[in-house]
Amino acid sequence: VQLVESGGTLIQPGRSLRLSCEASGFTFKNYAMHWVRQVPGKGLEWVSSISWNSYEIAYADSVRGRFATSRDNGRNFLYLQMSRLRAEDTATYYCAKDIDPAAAKFGDAFDMWGQGTMVLVSP
Amino acid sequence: IPLTQSPSTLSASVGDRVIITCRASQLFNDWVAWYQQRPGKAPQFLDLETSNLDGEVPSRFSASGSGTEFTLTISNLQPDDSATYYCQQYISYSYIFGQGTKLEIK
Repeated sequence: VQLVESGGTLIQPGRSLRLSCEASGFTFKNYAMHWVRQVPGKGLEWVSSISWNSYEIAYADSVRGRFATSRDNGRNFLYLQMSRLRAEDTATYYCAKDIDPAAAKFGDAFDMWGQGTMVLVSP
Repeated sequence: IPLTQSPSTLSASVGDRVIITCRASQLFNDWVAWYQQRPGKAPQFLDLETSNLDGEVPSRFSASGSGTEFTLTISNLQPDDSATYYCQQYISYSYIFGQGTKLEIK
């Protein structure tokens, strides 16, 4: 099982950025997927989750209306489209696999994580 | 509905047993997940549900609790256990993490 994030970069406030997560080693289409971020030196913050069929998508209050999560089950990719970026969005962004292959929506935990991609929002 | 971990930092010696507590402000989900994050690495889910003597999670790790109080116990501490540990709950279309407990091995 492998998750590989990409797309992180230095970007100015107010701009948009798309993160990608390529999944391999498991049946991607069967699992909900998640984004979690971590400000350097701080704790983990859940960002967004998407059900296996994209019918259910949830967002943290801090990003709702600015971020959009999507997935491509044919290509085994998870995406996080980030817009109107703010300095406080600076973090390492992890994609994570849901623990439950039978979850109609979302499971209770994330049993596999990518290595993360860093987003730095700065003028 | 925050999750509060205690202690925030912990220093112990090789061979010691430590207990990390995770408290929810109210009852919602009767289970928490635990993660280990070593410095500079991604978090790793601690699979404590299965009998896991040959798996990635040593049997020295165990979890218990229900309701609003949960614990992670690590016995016979090893240098490799030095990490930050997080608890997490799924609550109605959102996930909450505890603030983390940083474990230092003396």
